[in-house]
Amino acid sequence: KNQVEQSPQSLIILEGKNCTLQCNYTVSPFSNLRWYKQDTGRGPVSLTIMTFSENTKSNGRYTATLDADTKQSSLHITASQLSDSASYICVVESRWSNYQLIWGAGTKLIIKP
Amino acid sequence: ETGVTQTPRHLVMGMTNKKSLKCEQHLGHNAMYWYKQSAKKPLELMFVYNFKEQTENNSVPSRFSPECPNSSHLFLHLHTLQPEDSALYLCASSQEREGFNTGELFFGEGSRLTVL
Repeated sequence: KNQVEQSPQSLIILEGKNCTLQCNYTVSPFSNLRWYKQDTGRGPVSLTIMTFSENTKSNGRYTATLDADTKQSSLHITASQLSDSASYICVVESRWSNYQLIWGAGTKLIIKP
Repeated sequence: ETGVTQTPRHLVMGMTNKKSLKCEQHLGHNAMYWYKQSAKKPLELMFVYNFKEQTENNSVPSRFSPECPNSSHLFLHLHTLQPEDSALYLCASSQEREGFNTGELFFGEGSRLTVL
């Protein structure tokens, strides 16, 4: 069964600190993996899309990694800011299922001053 | 501002009411989506329209009825809903190309629906 598991469910860190969010998936055959940021009460916003051949991709202070062999991805946030408080959602697309993106339940990140 | 506008942002309705959610995209995309997001659950795809044709319907109950009059507008008609239908309904759009992966999704701010 195609699944995306994210950990931790929630995380609280102090402003300025770094953190890493994890995503494990069982989706096969793999096409691409996406990370979204969702502020409370708003729609998700795309952070990055990674294909099979990409190991690392950065978007400002956000760096995503992908290990297609172990089916794991991580999202690293550097020098966190209060505006980073949000849910971060990992999404995986299978090569054979058009439009059927498999969504994780998200990690809720809270940045404290 | 993502280029996808949803109205209303909040809606409270009784189980016997009929209401509609509206979505408009200003990005020139050719595909539009309705997703349901319940608390602490992953997003659930409800409907997809590609080139105005409905291509996906993920076993959604008939009390939800989509309408896509053109590639920029998408509606979700609601009728005799249940309290468990209370959720955030998200509209998204993307630019699709034949034979390629699903394009990047651009979401609206969502319509928060409460069914009493």
